Amino acid sequence: DIHMTQSPSFVSASVGDKVTISCRASQRIGSWLAWYQQTPGKAPKLLIYAASTLQTGVPSRFSGSGSGTDFTLNISSLQPEDFATYYCQQANSFPVYTFGQGTKLEIK
Amino acid sequence: DVHLVESGGGLVQPGGSLRLSCSASGFIFKDFEMNWVRQAPGKGLEWVSYISSDGKIIYNTDSLKGRFSVSRDNAKNSLFLQMNSLRAEDTAVYYCARGSSTIRHAFDVWGQGTVVTVSS
Repeated sequence: DIHMTQSPSFVSASVGDKVTISCRASQRIGSWLAWYQQTPGKAPKLLIYAASTLQTGVPSRFSGSGSGTDFTLNISSLQPEDFATYYCQQANSFPVYTFGQGTKLEIK
Repeated sequence: DVHLVESGGGLVQPGGSLRLSCSASGFIFKDFEMNWVRQAPGKGLEWVSYISSDGKIIYNTDSLKGRFSVSRDNAKNSLFLQMNSLRAEDTAVYYCARGSSTIRHAFDVWGQGTVVTVSS
């Protein structure tokens, strides 16, 4: 099984800050990685797929990079609506998937 | 608009069964693979089941040990999850989610979730 580890688990930041969230896979997954955003009480929302491709309608302040085992999600200038929990997901072992444990982004 | 709407959640005793449904609208349901994802209270996301667009290929997470069964009715634009031998640890919000090969099998459409509580 492929295990996904996100870091940090919690991060505090202010509006306008740049934030980086990391995701590491237990084995190489190419670019078969997606990022999701979830706010309390809501369903997750797809932000990025194929490690770096922005989903339609997602603001350009979000970006993703990486391949193999190490991936990052960057938010260039935090907006109030960005405070949420972020998850990475691997699809290299499709149709068996694994999510990371999540990173909660809180307002400082 | 593209929508997924789950139903069928509720309170069930340990050992009981429940059948969840997911109704799709706004897209050609038979063209898309579908998944179930769950989230226990205060916890992260856990992928549960996958079913191919034609219903012929099915995968479940290993931890279920065969207790859950996913199916679909393309004529009725519906996805199902039959859950048997339910345990307290199955308590969660259950989401249906659409996957697509055009986005590297990521999940681009999600329902609002249905709550399953397993308790005596």
